[in-house]
Amino acid sequence: AQTVTQSQPEMSVQEAETVTLSCTYDTSESDYYLFWYKQPPSRQMILVIRQEAYKQQNATENRFSVNFQKAAKSFSLKISDSQLGDAAMYFCAYRSALYNNNDMRFGAGTRLTVKP
Amino acid sequence: DTGVSQDPRHKITKRGQNVTFRCDPISEHNRLYWYRQTLGQGPEFLTYFQNEAQLEKSRLLSDRFSAERPKGSFSTLEIQRTEQGDSAMYLCASSRDSNQPQHFGDGTRLSIL
Repeated sequence: AQTVTQSQPEMSVQEAETVTLSCTYDTSESDYYLFWYKQPPSRQMILVIRQEAYKQQNATENRFSVNFQKAAKSFSLKISDSQLGDAAMYFCAYRSALYNNNDMRFGAGTRLTVKP
Repeated sequence: DTGVSQDPRHKITKRGQNVTFRCDPISEHNRLYWYRQTLGQGPEFLTYFQNEAQLEKSRLLSDRFSAERPKGSFSTLEIQRTEQGDSAMYLCASSRDSNQPQHFGDGTRLSIL
């Protein structure tokens, strides 16, 4: 079974600085999707960025970028120019690309604090 | 898109009672998912629907849990004879199809007294 591990329960960053959140996963599949979701306190989970495993190029969404290392099964999230609004729980998630497999697996999350 | 809507936001009930939650997905999203999230953990998959068909159920979904999506639009999740361990946030998500990202609702927080 696929598992997702986030080894950093908490991280903090100074406003305007850069922070990297770690995520590793375990799978025997070759085709899958990886996601980073953000969950602010008492608010809904929002998709931050998505990566297809067959793409070698790392995904980027404005200040958010990933470092996808398929061989190492690593999928870290880099947040540049951190803003106060970035403070939230961040979840890394894995989903198989098989049509009938929609079981998205989440890591335990990393709580990000942004210091003014 | 108006987003995924869940009702109620909070539910407090006594152990042994039945509860029902509702989820309205984004319109035209064929897939609807239910997750459970306990404090300090990531969401855990419970079940999902493709239109009105329930295609997959997690082993976490005991026989006290039942989910429906009668007309392929909104969905309900019912928990019978609630137990203390059922206390959690229940999240609903929807996606246009299997290849598209899932969009989450605000969740229903269930507290069992």
